[in-house]
Amino acid sequence: EAGVAQSPRYKIIEKRQSVAFWCNPISGHATLYWYQQILGQGPKLLIQFQNNGVVDDSQLPKDRFSAERLKGVDSTLKIQPAKLEDSAVYLCASSLDRGLAGAVEQFFGPGTRLTVL
Amino acid sequence: ELKVEQNPLFLSMQEGKNYTIYCNYSTTSDRLYWYRQDPGKSLESLFVLLSNGAVKQEGRLMASLDTKARLSTLHITAAVHDLSATYFCAVESGFQKLVFGTGTRLLVSP
Repeated sequence: EAGVAQSPRYKIIEKRQSVAFWCNPISGHATLYWYQQILGQGPKLLIQFQNNGVVDDSQLPKDRFSAERLKGVDSTLKIQPAKLEDSAVYLCASSLDRGLAGAVEQFFGPGTRLTVL
Repeated sequence: ELKVEQNPLFLSMQEGKNYTIYCNYSTTSDRLYWYRQDPGKSLESLFVLLSNGAVKQEGRLMASLDTKARLSTLHITAAVHDLSATYFCAVESGFQKLVFGTGTRLLVSP
């Protein structure tokens, strides 16, 4: 089974520029997550989609970050304009809806390392 | 707001030794997950703990959950170099949402 795909793997931009990241979840996974992981910290949830709809975007800086998930499959995360503090790894994850066992195991992609200069 | 804390933040240990990583969380939850992250890599799921008293073991790692104490432990038995990585616990909060701990960086040396 193919895993979560992300691109690009690395991106370097200057502050005030814009950038976009792409994620393709595991086939059949209804829930998609975007996380921000700053060096030395745990991942922080930015936004969670259930199919096409947003479940939680409470920690998404909406003045500069946006995300969409068209047709309930692929997703893009955009930053415009970027700030120095946006330098981080952006991780995409996906999961099935909660099964009989009650677990919501999330599977993570390789991430995109963003450097803002 | 749910807070998840791990300790220690950094652990340097010798091969063959035993040690325990602790994960404390601030509000009620009965689902906790452990992940491993190698440098420059993504997160790999290790354990899923779904109820009070749950215990899971894989190789030299054993995880347990005490929901009343809001505590999970990850015990390492007879450490080997291959276990060197950063370990995260994550607590489920709300609808299928995970809040991650600060991570414990483990370094196992000969």
